[in-house]
Amino acid sequence: DAGVIQSPRHEVTEMGQEVTLRCKPISGHDYLFWYRQTMMRGLELLIYFNNNVPIDDSGMPEDRFSAKMPNASFSTLKIQPSEPRDSAVYFCASSSGQAPFFGPGTRLTVL
Amino acid sequence: AQSVTQLGSHVSVSEGALVLLRCNYSSSVPPYLFWYVQYPNQGLQLLLKYTTGATLVKGINGFEAEFKKSETSFHLTKPSAHMSDAAEYFCAVSPDTGRRALTFGSGTRLQVQP
Repeated sequence: DAGVIQSPRHEVTEMGQEVTLRCKPISGHDYLFWYRQTMMRGLELLIYFNNNVPIDDSGMPEDRFSAKMPNASFSTLKIQPSEPRDSAVYFCASSSGQAPFFGPGTRLTVL
Repeated sequence: AQSVTQLGSHVSVSEGALVLLRCNYSSSVPPYLFWYVQYPNQGLQLLLKYTTGATLVKGINGFEAEFKKSETSFHLTKPSAHMSDAAEYFCAVSPDTGRRALTFGSGTRLQVQP
């Protein structure tokens, strides 16, 4: 298995632009998590899904952030419009009821 | 609510010395506890986890951790540090094994001196 796949690995964009981060979970995993890592706030949960349904989105910072999981093998995290304070590493993780497996992350820089 | 406190944001040890990384948790329900390691520019890799049963948990790369309910602790240890152990280590707590989100501590960066 290739593990959790995230794309792009790096994204540099300008303030105000739309950013879409993508995640392919491990096949057979029915839980998917989006985390954000910053120096100031550490690792924070943004949202998680079970069987493609959002269960807890209380960590989503504001309406500029949205996440979808249209099927069991794909999820997106969208930021529109992006702001410099959104600069962070965004991790996707998936689980089948055991400890989550993390992807390599997407490093987002908003100028 | 659950939370994790990792004492010491930076720990430095000599190669071959004991590694001890401290983690204390707060949980209103029986906790599930995890240690993850993060190497530079990589994702998080599971070292070990405590669910139920034996309180001494062995993980990968020679690491182990002991769940002490009375002390609300889950400290990570390794008898002899190796240069390749240099990384950031995160303790995490969850009300479930993998069906609920993890709450992470702030991390401890381990340096290993030759």
